[in-house]
Amino acid sequence: GENVEQHPSTLSVQEGDSAVIKCTYSDSASNYFPWYKQELGKRPQLIIDIRSNVGEKKDQRIAVTLNKTAKHFSLHITETQPEDSAVYFCAVLGTSYGKLTFGQGTILTVHP
Amino acid sequence: ETGVTQSPTHLIKTRGQQVTLRCSSQSGHNTVSWYQQALGQGPQFIFQYYREEENGRGNFPPRFSGLQFPNYSSELNVNALELDDSALYLCASSRPGTGGDEQYFGPGTRLTVT
Repeated sequence: GENVEQHPSTLSVQEGDSAVIKCTYSDSASNYFPWYKQELGKRPQLIIDIRSNVGEKKDQRIAVTLNKTAKHFSLHITETQPEDSAVYFCAVLGTSYGKLTFGQGTILTVHP
Repeated sequence: ETGVTQSPTHLIKTRGQQVTLRCSSQSGHNTVSWYQQALGQGPQFIFQYYREEENGRGNFPPRFSGLQFPNYSSELNVNALELDDSALYLCASSRPGTGGDEQYFGPGTRLTVT
């Protein structure tokens, strides 16, 4: 089955800095890569996603890049704010029936 | 547009008992997936329902079962509860034509097995 590795497990930055979280996956046929933000006690919230026919996608301060050859994708957050503090999960859609395989999560802390 | 809702919010059960969790999909969404999230980990796929049938299953035993109803709402049933079943159970819905990829999560049901 699909294997998703996410790094780092924790990330601490100062407000205004950039944050980068990386994920690698094993199934080269995977074609959909979402990122979720989960605040303490809340539901995972879809913040951005990318499909395999696109190399990069941006939404305001958030961007995702995909390297299909190397089988890795990254989340980039610029001008971080304290409210960006949360656990971030990458996920990969399997080649059948909508199964998302999640990474282990990254605890992002943005210090004011 | 109505988001994904789940009930109950919290539940405490004893080992060996059975539990039913409920999920109402987001308006216009016809596919429901269920996930188990243990503390400090990412969600683990249990199964997905589409057109009232199980569309795929993760690495969970048969005592985890589900249903989907004509209005696309869904239930997750767990029999013979074990202590390790204690977790946050999340359902996620997705809209037609997406192949079940864009999945939007409900708030979850926190199950504690004692």
